[in-house]
Amino acid sequence: DIQMTQSPSTLSASVGDRVTITCRASQSISSWLAWYQQKPGKAPNLFIYKASSLESGVPSRFSGSGSGTEFTLTISSLQPDDFATYYCQHYNSIPWTFGQGTKVEIK
Amino acid sequence: QLQLQESGPGLVKPSETLSLTCTVSGGSVSSSRYYWGWIRQPPGKGLEWIGNIYYSGTTYYNPSLRSRVTISLDTSKNQFSLKLSSVTAADAAVYYCAREDTSMEKGFDYWGQGTQVTVSS
Repeated sequence: DIQMTQSPSTLSASVGDRVTITCRASQSISSWLAWYQQKPGKAPNLFIYKASSLESGVPSRFSGSGSGTEFTLTISSLQPDDFATYYCQHYNSIPWTFGQGTKVEIK
Repeated sequence: QLQLQESGPGLVKPSETLSLTCTVSGGSVSSSRYYWGWIRQPPGKGLEWIGNIYYSGTTYYNPSLRSRVTISLDTSKNQFSLKLSSVTAADAAVYYCAREDTSMEKGFDYWGQGTQVTVSS
């Protein structure tokens, strides 16, 4: 199985901050990576697919980059609605696996 | 607008079989553009992919659960289902059904709200 490791596990930031979350794959996954946002008690929402494509309706302050084994999710200017947990997921080969999540908290 | 809704017992006894159904509205499980999948999330933990099914009935399972999992499709009811046998406390989780858009190579773009499953005698 391909292991997905996110860092940091928790991130404390303020409104307006630039935030970067990293996701590393244990082997190359090309660009087969998605990012999801999850709020408490809710299902995850797809934000980024194919490493850097923004899902329809997602604010442009979100961006994704990377290929191979290292990927990043960047929020250019953190907004109150962005405090949530973010997960990466690869879909390169069975089984799909998720990172352990990064919780973005209010500083 | 596509909607997915999980249904099934919220309480399952140890060693018994967990059975959940996902009803799809606003779209068709018979479309060749999508896979239909199950993902679970134990309390306070991360997400685990269980498996997918294609409109043809082809299934893909997580090897860690393969021996206990069956995913099936009912096109007449526009539903797909999950069966997980021999459950233990480790199977307690919120179970989500979701659509994977393979035509756009997107990942899971629509999710159900999730259903909590408790394993207890």
